[in-house]
Amino acid sequence: EIVLTQSPATLSLSPGERATLSCRASQGVSSYLAWYQQKPGQAPRLLIYDASNRATGIPARFSGSGSGTDFTLTISSLEPEDFAVYYCQQRSNWPITFGQGTRLEIK
Amino acid sequence: EVQLLESGGGLVQPGGSLRVSCAASGFTFSTYALSWVRQAPGKGLEWVSSISSSGGNTYYADSVKGRFTISRDISRNTLYLQMNSLRAEDTAVYYCAKPVMTAVAAIFDYWGQGTLVTVSS
Repeated sequence: EIVLTQSPATLSLSPGERATLSCRASQGVSSYLAWYQQKPGQAPRLLIYDASNRATGIPARFSGSGSGTDFTLTISSLEPEDFAVYYCQQRSNWPITFGQGTRLEIK
Repeated sequence: EVQLLESGGGLVQPGGSLRVSCAASGFTFSTYALSWVRQAPGKGLEWVSSISSSGGNTYYADSVKGRFTISRDISRNTLYLQMNSLRAEDTAVYYCAKPVMTAVAAIFDYWGQGTLVTVSS
């Protein structure tokens, strides 16, 4: 099973700042990595798939990069609605696995 | 508009069984693989199971293998998860999820609202 480790566990930033979230895989997943955003009481929302492709309707301030074992989700300038929990997920091998999440909170 | 509507959650005793369903609409049901993902209260996301578009291939997390069975009924546009020998650690919101494209099973762009399964005596 591929283990995904996200860091930091919690990120405290202010609106307008740049956010950088990390996801590291225990073995290479090529570019088969996605990022999701989840707000309390809501289902997850797909942001990025295959490392760097923005999903439909996702603002350009969200970008993804990386390949192999190290991936980054960047939010260029935080909006108030961006404060949420973010998960990475790999589809390179079964079983599909998710990271444990990064909580992005308002400083 | 794509819609995924889960139902069938509830309270069940340890060792009991439950079947949750996901009624799908707004897309060609028979051409997409579908999956179940769960989330225990206050915890992260855990993939549970996936089924191919034809139903001929199924995949399970080790934590549920041998206890849960995923299936689909194309005539009813409905996805199922039969859960047997339930344990307290199966307590979670169960989401059904649809991938963003037919060729790829596990990039989930549509999710249902979830159904809560509570395993407790």
